[in-house]
Amino acid sequence: QSALTQPPSASGSPGQSVTISCTGTSSDVGGYDYVSWYQQHPGKPPKLIIYEVNTRPSGVPERFSGSRSGNTFFLTVSGLQPDDEADYYCNSYADSDNLGVFGGGTKLTVL
Amino acid sequence: EVQLVQSGAELKKPGQPLKISCRASGYTFTNFWIGWVRQMPGSGLEWMGVIYPGDSETRYSPSFQGQVTISADKSIDTAYLQWDSLEASDTAIYYCARPHLGHFARIDFWGRGSLVTVSS
Repeated sequence: QSALTQPPSASGSPGQSVTISCTGTSSDVGGYDYVSWYQQHPGKPPKLIIYEVNTRPSGVPERFSGSRSGNTFFLTVSGLQPDDEADYYCNSYADSDNLGVFGGGTKLTVL
Repeated sequence: EVQLVQSGAELKKPGQPLKISCRASGYTFTNFWIGWVRQMPGSGLEWMGVIYPGDSETRYSPSFQGQVTISADKSIDTAYLQWDSLEASDTAIYYCARPHLGHFARIDFWGRGSLVTVSS
């Protein structure tokens, strides 16, 4: 069982916005802002799209944004495009594992 | 340009040993942690462990401590992941991953993955 809880699936139509959640606990991820998000297309390695909750690496479109509310972190994809269809994983520092923990992943479908 | 070039796919039998590799380029190998992430078929991502090639300090996730060995050869900028005795449950894709400095929850660079299949 993953230390971070994500919904297994999410969906939206082209042009719409979709938000994916990632929930930890106050005893591990709650005290830190070291949360990242990765996008993984089938057969490809993951790609970093958000780090430190809400920072985009160079080259990642502004359509991808991150936020936090308490022990839950969010990835919002605005203006959905067909290529956004992929698996998305959150990743956080955690006291319980000094290498950090991943969420179980969310499959985003663009309808 | 940072690149992590991994060794190819492997088909092994249970009980056999295996060592896979990840050759780094485009940065100073000894200045950054580098490690391995497992992805089992149809499943998510798991940090296995990391090594700091500068002094060979190694850290493992609790689930993988004692199950695998991570090493590095700084003379050829290469990290390794090895098993003494494979099990069918080791079937997975193994990604070489370079986190951002000491922030293991931010992986800036990934290899393309090495598929390991363990089957009798």
